[in-house]
Amino acid sequence: GAVVSQHPSWVICKSGTSVKIECRSLDFQATTMFWYRQFPKQSLMLMATSNEGSKATYEQGVEKDKFLINHASLTLSTLTVTSAHPEDSSFYICSARPLRGGNEKLFFGSGTQLSVL
Amino acid sequence: DAKTTQPPSMDCAEGRAANLPCNHSTISGNEYVYWYRQIHSQGPQYIIHGLKNNETNEMASLIITEDRKSSTLILPHATLRDTAVYYCIAYFGNEKLTFGTGTRLTIIP
Repeated sequence: GAVVSQHPSWVICKSGTSVKIECRSLDFQATTMFWYRQFPKQSLMLMATSNEGSKATYEQGVEKDKFLINHASLTLSTLTVTSAHPEDSSFYICSARPLRGGNEKLFFGSGTQLSVL
Repeated sequence: DAKTTQPPSMDCAEGRAANLPCNHSTISGNEYVYWYRQIHSQGPQYIIHGLKNNETNEMASLIITEDRKSSTLILPHATLRDTAVYYCIAYFGNEKLTFGTGTRLTIIP
C-alpha cells in the first residue's frame, strides 16, 4: 500500500527555535498534502492544505507566518514551526492525496510529537 | 464535508463483532463515506469507504443505508489491537478532509 513517511517522530526544542517537519510520499506522487495538529484527547484539526508549486492555503486562525509550509516537489512537503513556544507543543500529522485524481483516499504519516520547553 | 455524528465511546468484547454507527443525514450525492481509525499516538489509518453499496475488505465491512443517511462499520472479530478512535467522514475525494470527534472503541478482554 501507499506509504507516507513523516520525520522526525518526535522532537524537543527550546522556546524561540524553529523546527522543520518533513512529509514524504514514498511510492506515489501527491499534488496535495494536508497538515493537521492534534492536542491530547482531541480530534485532528486541519491547519493547511499544501499544493505542489503554489502557496499553501491556511485554515482560519492558523498563522501562516508561524507555520511555514513548502511543497517543493510531488513527493515532499515541509512544515516549519517558527519561533516555537510551549503552546505550539502538539502532535503534528501530515497526509497526502495521490496524483491519480478522482475520489482518492488520503494516506497519513505517523505523526510528529513536538515538545517546546 | 457533510457533518457526521458518532457516539463518543463504545466497548466491545474481544472476539465479538464491533458495530460502529454513524449518522450523515446531510450527505450529498457525490460524497463518499470514509472510515479511518487512529491508534494512540499514531497517524490515522484508512479502513474502508463506500458510496451506495455495502463494501467489505480484509479489515472491515461497511453497511450504508439505502437513503445514505447513516452507515455502520463492522469489525467482524474484534481484537485488542482494534482499540482506537474511529472516524466516520463524508466527503468527496478532491476536497480537504476534516475530522469530527469520532468514536473511542475499547476492546475488552
